[in-house]
Amino acid sequence: DQQVKQNSPSLSVQEGRISILNCDYTNSMFDYFLWYKKYPAEGPTFLISISSIKDKNEDGRFTVFLNKSAKHLSLHIVPSQPGDSAVYFCAASAVGGSQGNLIFGKGTKLSVKP
Amino acid sequence: GAGVSQSPSNKVTEKGKDVELRCDPISGHTALYWYRQSLGQGLEFLIYFQGNSAPDKSGLPSDRFSAERTGGSVSTLTIQRTQQEDSAVYLCASSSFRGPGQPQHFGDGTRLSIL
Repeated sequence: DQQVKQNSPSLSVQEGRISILNCDYTNSMFDYFLWYKKYPAEGPTFLISISSIKDKNEDGRFTVFLNKSAKHLSLHIVPSQPGDSAVYFCAASAVGGSQGNLIFGKGTKLSVKP
Repeated sequence: GAGVSQSPSNKVTEKGKDVELRCDPISGHTALYWYRQSLGQGLEFLIYFQGNSAPDKSGLPSDRFSAERTGGSVSTLTIQRTQQEDSAVYLCASSSFRGPGQPQHFGDGTRLSIL
Protein backbone atom coordinates (compact mmCIF):
# COMPACT_ATOMS: atom_id res chain seq x y z
CA ASP A 1 0.00 0.00 0.00
CA GLN A 2 1.75 3.12 -1.25
CA GLN A 3 1.46 6.02 1.15
CA VAL A 4 3.16 8.46 -1.23
CA LYS A 5 2.22 8.32 -4.87
CA GLN A 6 3.71 9.97 -7.91
CA ASN A 7 1.36 8.91 -10.65
CA SER A 8 3.33 10.32 -13.56
CA PRO A 9 6.47 8.29 -14.22
CA SER A 10 7.73 10.87 -16.70
CA LEU A 11 7.24 14.46 -17.81
CA SER A 12 8.69 16.36 -20.75
CA VAL A 13 8.71 20.15 -20.97
CA GLN A 14 10.32 22.79 -23.13
CA GLU A 15 13.16 24.89 -21.77
CA GLY A 16 11.84 28.12 -20.26
CA ARG A 17 8.38 26.72 -19.56
CA ILE A 18 6.96 25.62 -16.22
CA SER A 19 7.41 22.07 -14.94
CA ILE A 20 4.75 20.82 -12.54
CA LEU A 21 5.43 17.60 -10.66
CA ASN A 22 2.62 16.13 -8.63
CA CYS A 23 2.47 13.97 -5.53
CA ASP A 24 -0.43 12.49 -3.56
CA TYR A 25 -0.37 10.94 -0.11
CA THR A 26 -2.73 8.91 1.99
CA ASN A 27 -1.43 9.23 5.55
CA SER A 28 -2.94 12.24 7.33
CA MET A 29 -0.19 11.96 9.98
CA PHE A 30 2.45 13.20 7.55
CA ASP A 31 3.55 16.65 8.65
CA TYR A 32 6.56 17.36 6.47
CA PHE A 33 7.04 16.90 2.78
CA LEU A 34 10.30 17.04 0.88
CA TRP A 35 11.36 16.94 -2.73
CA TYR A 36 14.59 15.31 -3.80
CA LYS A 37 16.27 15.39 -7.19
CA LYS A 38 18.30 12.47 -8.45
CA TYR A 39 20.73 12.24 -11.33
CA PRO A 40 21.76 8.82 -12.69
CA ALA A 41 24.37 7.01 -10.58
CA GLU A 42 24.15 9.67 -7.86
CA GLY A 43 22.31 9.81 -4.57
CA PRO A 44 19.20 11.97 -4.17
CA THR A 45 19.81 15.63 -3.40
CA PHE A 46 17.48 17.62 -1.18
CA LEU A 47 15.65 20.34 -3.09
CA ILE A 48 12.90 21.92 -1.01
CA SER A 49 10.53 21.06 1.80
CA ILE A 50 7.26 22.22 3.27
CA SER A 51 5.66 21.85 6.67
CA SER A 52 2.03 20.84 6.89
CA ILE A 53 1.24 24.14 8.59
CA LYS A 54 2.05 25.97 5.38
CA ASP A 55 0.55 25.82 1.92
CA LYS A 56 3.45 27.24 -0.06
CA ASN A 57 7.22 27.41 0.14
CA GLU A 58 9.38 29.08 -2.45
CA ASP A 59 13.10 28.90 -3.11
CA GLY A 60 14.30 30.56 -6.27
CA ARG A 61 12.89 28.77 -9.30
CA PHE A 62 11.33 26.08 -7.11
CA THR A 63 7.97 26.37 -5.36
CA VAL A 64 6.14 23.64 -3.49
CA PHE A 65 2.40 23.87 -2.93
CA LEU A 66 0.54 21.80 -0.35
CA ASN A 67 -3.20 21.12 -0.37
CA LYS A 68 -3.88 19.26 2.86
CA SER A 69 -7.57 18.74 2.24
CA ALA A 70 -6.77 17.00 -1.03
CA LYS A 71 -3.65 15.32 0.36
CA HIS A 72 -1.78 16.64 -2.63
CA LEU A 73 1.40 18.55 -3.20
CA SER A 74 3.15 19.80 -6.26
CA LEU A 75 6.56 21.11 -7.20
CA HIS A 76 6.73 23.93 -9.71
CA ILE A 77 9.94 24.73 -11.52
CA VAL A 78 9.96 27.95 -13.50
CA PRO A 79 11.64 28.60 -15.79
CA SER A 80 12.71 25.04 -16.50
CA GLN A 81 16.29 24.48 -17.58
CA PRO A 82 17.94 21.49 -19.30
CA GLY A 83 19.99 20.93 -16.14
CA ASP A 84 16.75 20.26 -14.28
CA SER A 85 16.41 16.99 -16.18
CA ALA A 86 16.48 14.32 -13.46
CA VAL A 87 14.21 12.04 -11.46
CA TYR A 88 12.26 13.92 -8.80
CA PHE A 89 11.14 12.11 -5.66
CA CYS A 90 8.45 13.28 -3.33
CA ALA A 91 8.94 12.19 0.29
CA ALA A 92 6.98 12.55 3.50
CA SER A 93 7.67 12.14 7.19
CA ALA A 94 5.46 11.94 10.23
CA VAL A 95 5.71 12.60 13.92
CA GLY A 96 5.59 9.35 15.81
CA GLY A 97 7.42 6.08 16.12
CA SER A 98 9.22 6.46 12.83
CA GLN A 99 9.84 10.15 13.22
CA GLY A 100 12.21 11.38 10.61
CA ASN A 101 12.10 8.32 8.38
CA LEU A 102 11.13 9.32 4.92
CA ILE A 103 8.46 7.60 2.85
CA PHE A 104 9.27 8.07 -0.82
CA GLY A 105 7.21 8.01 -3.98
CA LYS A 106 8.47 6.13 -7.01
CA GLY A 107 9.68 9.30 -8.71
CA THR A 108 8.93 11.28 -11.85
CA LYS A 109 11.53 11.56 -14.57
CA LEU A 110 11.64 15.12 -15.86
CA SER A 111 13.12 15.87 -19.26
CA VAL A 112 13.64 19.50 -20.18
CA LYS A 113 14.15 19.94 -23.91
CA PRO A 114 16.34 22.80 -25.18
CA GLY B 1 35.14 15.01 0.73
CA ALA B 2 32.40 16.57 2.83
CA GLY B 3 29.56 14.34 1.68
CA VAL B 4 28.29 10.88 2.60
CA SER B 5 30.66 8.25 1.25
CA GLN B 6 29.61 4.70 0.38
CA SER B 7 31.67 1.72 -0.69
CA PRO B 8 31.85 -0.24 -2.82
CA SER B 9 30.04 1.65 -5.56
CA ASN B 10 29.22 -1.63 -7.28
CA LYS B 11 29.09 -5.18 -5.97
CA VAL B 12 28.35 -8.34 -7.91
CA THR B 13 28.10 -11.56 -5.98
CA GLU B 14 26.65 -15.04 -6.23
CA LYS B 15 23.40 -16.02 -4.61
CA GLY B 16 23.97 -17.35 -1.10
CA LYS B 17 27.06 -15.27 -0.37
CA ASP B 18 27.24 -12.65 2.38
CA VAL B 19 27.91 -9.00 1.53
CA GLU B 20 28.94 -5.97 3.54
CA LEU B 21 28.18 -2.43 2.46
CA ARG B 22 29.88 0.54 4.11
CA CYS B 23 28.69 4.06 4.80
CA ASP B 24 30.76 6.96 6.08
CA PRO B 25 28.37 9.78 7.07
CA ILE B 26 29.00 13.50 7.10
CA SER B 27 31.17 14.39 10.06
CA GLY B 28 29.10 15.49 13.03
CA HIS B 29 25.85 14.02 11.75
CA THR B 30 24.26 11.98 14.51
CA ALA B 31 21.49 10.38 12.46
CA LEU B 32 22.26 7.71 9.85
CA TYR B 33 19.77 5.93 7.60
CA TRP B 34 19.89 3.04 5.17
CA TYR B 35 17.46 2.83 2.25
CA ARG B 36 17.30 0.65 -0.81
CA GLN B 37 15.91 1.34 -4.25
CA SER B 38 14.83 -1.60 -6.33
CA LEU B 39 14.36 -1.22 -10.07
CA GLY B 40 11.41 1.07 -10.84
CA GLN B 41 10.63 1.65 -7.19
CA GLY B 42 11.01 4.49 -4.76
CA LEU B 43 13.41 4.45 -1.85
CA GLU B 44 12.51 1.94 0.85
CA PHE B 45 13.58 2.66 4.43
CA LEU B 46 15.64 -0.11 6.05
CA ILE B 47 17.21 1.01 9.33
CA TYR B 48 18.05 4.13 11.30
CA PHE B 49 20.70 5.02 13.89
CA GLN B 50 20.64 8.02 16.20
CA GLY B 51 23.62 8.55 18.48
CA ASN B 52 23.90 5.79 21.06
CA SER B 53 20.22 4.89 20.99
CA ALA B 54 18.99 1.49 19.92
CA PRO B 55 18.56 1.44 16.13
CA ASP B 56 15.14 1.55 14.49
CA LYS B 57 15.13 -1.71 12.53
CA SER B 58 11.50 -1.54 11.49
CA GLY B 59 12.28 -1.47 7.76
CA LEU B 60 14.58 -4.48 7.54
CA PRO B 61 12.90 -6.97 5.18
CA SER B 62 14.21 -10.14 6.83
CA ASP B 63 16.58 -11.41 9.50
CA ARG B 64 19.24 -11.84 6.81
CA PHE B 65 19.70 -8.07 6.99
CA SER B 66 21.60 -6.42 9.82
CA ALA B 67 23.51 -3.22 10.36
CA GLU B 68 25.82 -1.72 12.91
CA ARG B 69 27.29 1.66 13.53
CA THR B 70 30.60 1.72 15.31
CA GLY B 71 31.67 4.70 17.38
CA GLY B 72 28.66 6.69 16.21
CA SER B 73 30.20 7.17 12.79
CA VAL B 74 30.80 4.53 10.11
CA SER B 75 28.01 2.06 9.46
CA THR B 76 28.03 -1.36 7.85
CA LEU B 77 24.97 -3.02 6.33
CA THR B 78 25.33 -6.80 6.11
CA ILE B 79 23.18 -9.08 4.01
CA GLN B 80 23.61 -12.78 4.71
CA ARG B 81 22.81 -15.59 2.28
CA THR B 82 21.95 -13.14 -0.46
CA GLN B 83 18.97 -13.76 -2.74
CA GLN B 84 18.30 -12.40 -6.20
CA GLU B 85 15.55 -10.15 -4.87
CA ASP B 86 18.21 -8.38 -2.79
CA SER B 87 19.54 -6.82 -6.00
CA ALA B 88 19.05 -3.08 -5.65
CA VAL B 89 20.86 0.19 -5.03
CA TYR B 90 21.53 0.58 -1.32
CA LEU B 91 21.64 4.20 -0.23
CA CYS B 92 22.94 5.65 2.99
CA ALA B 93 21.94 9.07 4.30
CA SER B 94 22.84 11.17 7.30
CA SER B 95 21.37 14.22 8.98
CA SER B 96 22.36 16.48 11.82
CA PHE B 97 19.39 15.33 13.91
CA ARG B 98 16.35 13.21 13.47
CA GLY B 99 13.03 14.88 13.17
CA PRO B 100 10.21 15.51 10.77
CA GLY B 101 11.30 17.45 7.75
CA GLN B 102 15.00 17.28 8.51
CA PRO B 103 16.74 16.99 5.14
CA GLN B 104 18.84 13.89 4.76
CA HIS B 105 22.06 13.93 2.79
CA PHE B 106 22.57 10.88 0.62
CA GLY B 107 25.60 9.05 -0.63
CA ASP B 108 25.78 7.82 -4.22
CA GLY B 109 24.80 4.31 -3.21
CA THR B 110 26.07 0.78 -3.71
CA ARG B 111 24.60 -1.04 -6.68
CA LEU B 112 24.27 -4.67 -5.58
CA SER B 113 23.72 -7.37 -8.15
CA ILE B 114 23.04 -10.96 -7.09
CA LEU B 115 23.69 -13.54 -9.78
